[in-house]
Amino acid sequence: ELKVEQNPLFLSMQEGKNYTIYCNYSTTSDRLYWYRQDPGKSLESLFVLLSNGAVKQEGRLMASLDTKARLSTLHITAAVHDLSATYFCAVDMDSNYQLIWGAGTKLIIKP
Amino acid sequence: DAGVTQSPTHLIKTRGQHVTLRCSPISGHKSVSWYQQVLGQGPQFIFQYYEKEERGRGNFPDRFSARQFPNYSSELNVNALLLGDSALYLCASSSDGGTSTDTQYFGPGTRLTVL
Repeated sequence: ELKVEQNPLFLSMQEGKNYTIYCNYSTTSDRLYWYRQDPGKSLESLFVLLSNGAVKQEGRLMASLDTKARLSTLHITAAVHDLSATYFCAVDMDSNYQLIWGAGTKLIIKP
Repeated sequence: DAGVTQSPTHLIKTRGQHVTLRCSPISGHKSVSWYQQVLGQGPQFIFQYYEKEERGRGNFPDRFSARQFPNYSSELNVNALLLGDSALYLCASSSDGGTSTDTQYFGPGTRLTVL
């Protein structure tokens, strides 16, 4: 059974600081997704990582994928308040056409 | 272009009742997936439909069923509601429900409360 673990589950940080969210998964997969969810809102796609070594960047967020280590990271550079949200990683499980989701990392960025 | 739409936005039901949730995918998208998100947790996969056929099913009881129509819209039905069915139900569409690299785009969700 594929399991996806995120850590930390909660992160409070100051504006301007850097931090990394980690996503580990238990079985082989070549596709990993990062989503953002604001309170009471739906899920917004951030990144799709399709192969080992993939790195994608958008603004202050950068995501990477190491399929051999079964690890993805979401790095936040010089955080700003607008990045406060819950961030989810999800892994594609080919055999059943479903995404398996982590529990989410709630990120609070204080001025 | 319109995104994924879902109706209703909110719904309150009592235990034992039945509920139907509706989803319209992004124009041109043929795949619809349904997820249940309990407060404070990540989404749990319920179903995926592609070209009107079920492509995947998560670990949910038979009280949960779904279908996809010729226009690719979809309904999720839940019978004999339990308190534990209270959650945000999310619909996602993508252009290909197979092993493609297409991203799933999510609707705003239906908040179901079972009393």
